[in-house]
Amino acid sequence: DAGVTQSPTHLIKTRGQQVTLRCSPKSGHDTVSWYQQALGQGPQFIFQYYEEEERQRGNFPDRFSGHQFPNYSSELNVNALLLGDSALYLCASSWDSTNYGYTFGSGTRLTVV
Amino acid sequence: DAKTTQPTSMDCAEGRAANLPCNHSTISGNEYVYWYRQIHSQGPQYIIHGLKNNETNEMASLIITEDRKSSTLILPHATLRDTAVYYCIVRAHTGNQFYFGTGTSLTVIP
Repeated sequence: DAGVTQSPTHLIKTRGQQVTLRCSPKSGHDTVSWYQQALGQGPQFIFQYYEEEERQRGNFPDRFSGHQFPNYSSELNVNALLLGDSALYLCASSWDSTNYGYTFGSGTRLTVV
Repeated sequence: DAKTTQPTSMDCAEGRAANLPCNHSTISGNEYVYWYRQIHSQGPQYIIHGLKNNETNEMASLIITEDRKSSTLILPHATLRDTAVYYCIVRAHTGNQFYFGTGTSLTVIP
């Protein structure tokens, strides 16, 4: 049973560019959450998607946007990249509003130069 | 969600029990205590969670004080592969997000 899969694993972008990160949830999960983890810090909540809608959002600017598809997979988009957006981006999936079985993927390492 | 306080770092000898403390003095009645760990360059891994009773699974034991203001994660026989950052989180079971602090960096020493 595959867990949460994220792609790509590593990515290098130039300041000002746009990036799309992808996440496939664990089988049976319908809710996807995204986190940003800067070096030496704990993960910070970006937003959560359920039934293709953004259900809750953390303290991140509108440059961060997302989407959830009918098959429950999700994308995280970041526009106008800043050097400070360099981080490990983590996707977590879970079942329904109880967030049962909250499971994280291994993340995408984004470097902005 | 309540905040937690954990020591920044700890060492433990291989084969000995590792006891990781966590303070959560403002925890609400409906909030659970969760423990996750993160091995370098990987995503956080679920370890255990509990509400008020002590819990044990194949990975660890969770001891929660009677007043629920603190807890201890116990790894009974630490191995080198247990070297990781351990996060203590309190969250309502239906909460939408986990609030991670900076966790405790545990180093298991041969």
